Amino acid sequence: SQKIEQNSEALNIQEGKTATLTCNYTNYSPAYLQWYRQDPGRGPVFLLLIRENEKEKRKERLKVTFDTTLKQSLFHITASQPADSATYLCALQGGYQKVTFGTGTKLQVIP
Amino acid sequence: DVKVTQSSRYLVKRTGEKVFLECVQDMDHENMFWYRQDPGLGLRLIYFSYDVKMKEKGDIPEGYSVSREKKERFSLILESASTNQTSMYLCASSLQQNNSPLHFGNGTRLTVT
Repeated sequence: SQKIEQNSEALNIQEGKTATLTCNYTNYSPAYLQWYRQDPGRGPVFLLLIRENEKEKRKERLKVTFDTTLKQSLFHITASQPADSATYLCALQGGYQKVTFGTGTKLQVIP
Repeated sequence: DVKVTQSSRYLVKRTGEKVFLECVQDMDHENMFWYRQDPGLGLRLIYFSYDVKMKEKGDIPEGYSVSREKKERFSLILESASTNQTSMYLCASSLQQNNSPLHFGNGTRLTVT
């Protein structure tokens, strides 16, 4: 069956360091992968999309990689700040228009 | 900016009641989705719709139905609410093209007692 796993439920890092979050998937052949941010009591907000033919995508302090051989995406936040504290979700589109999410990683950036 | 509005922020219903959760989007998106979110289980897709009057089952459709009579509105119906349907319900919409991101509402926290 199709599965999306985000390896860490929670990740604590020191302010200024780079946070790296992992998303692994099985039994998908995705054309692209998305990353979202979710704050407590709010709906997820789209951050970045990376296509299967893109190895890396950047947006300001965010960087996403996509390795279709390893079936893995890494999400990096450089120079992390306390305001980056949130839950981060990866998502894949499988069958017709169906979008499935990982369980998320709760990031805490400690001042 | 796309706005996805869920009619209620909090709802408390009794077991056996019929419950309607309403969602409206203002950007003419073809796709609309209903998810529920539970601690440790993440977001799970209940139903989605890619056009008016069209619907597709997601991963956990049991105990739920949906209605999409107009493009901007997607309703989730709990025919007979049960305590295991206590959850956060999130509605989302997107364009139909494959790389289109989802835009979420802020959720409805439903408690069934």
